[in-house]
Amino acid sequence: AQSVTQLDSQVPVFEEAPVELRCNYSSSVSVYLFWYVQYPNQGLQLLLKYLSGSTLVESINGFEAEFNKSQTSFHLRKPSVHISDTAEYFCAVTNTGNQFYFGTGTSLTVIP
Amino acid sequence: SQTIHQWPATLVQPVGSPLSLECTVEGTSNPNLYWYRQAAGRGLQLLFYSVGIGQISSEVPQNLSASRPQDRQFILSSKKLLLSDSGFYLCACRQSSSYNSPLHFGNGTRLTVT
Repeated sequence: AQSVTQLDSQVPVFEEAPVELRCNYSSSVSVYLFWYVQYPNQGLQLLLKYLSGSTLVESINGFEAEFNKSQTSFHLRKPSVHISDTAEYFCAVTNTGNQFYFGTGTSLTVIP
Repeated sequence: SQTIHQWPATLVQPVGSPLSLECTVEGTSNPNLYWYRQAAGRGLQLLFYSVGIGQISSEVPQNLSASRPQDRQFILSSKKLLLSDSGFYLCACRQSSSYNSPLHFGNGTRLTVT
């Protein structure tokens, strides 16, 4: 089975500063990677996904993630965070099966 | 696009009482359906998933059960709730026709067992 590790459970960062949320997965062939965001008392929303092709994927709100096969990582980055980015972020992986594997989440807090 | 309806949004139930949470999906046919539980401050735990009507896979032994009576309906049940069943329950779906399609989540049900 796959496993996903999010190394940082909490990340505080000042507004307009850059941020990186780390995600590593266990090695496997044909993995597909996702980042989800969860605001308080809501479900998870898809932020971005890597399926194939370019290893750098972007979301509409300025986040980006880079698939690094040799390091089995899919870190999420944003060059300048806003207060509204405060949320829980989950990394997830699936393969050709029916199951998704989620990390334990990283709580991002943007400080004014 | 897919829309997932979950209800109720919040629920307070006494220990030993039964439970029924319902999830329905619009905008897709023959989806894969999932129930996750999220305990306070923790990650997601997969409880059940279903690839078709009447087909349920259980990931964690517990006093919960799931059923899929219709293609786009997924129900989570318990005969007798425990305190440890408290949490945030999320229903999710995925297009079965594409093995790399993402999960889409409902807005969740917050269950408090007292």
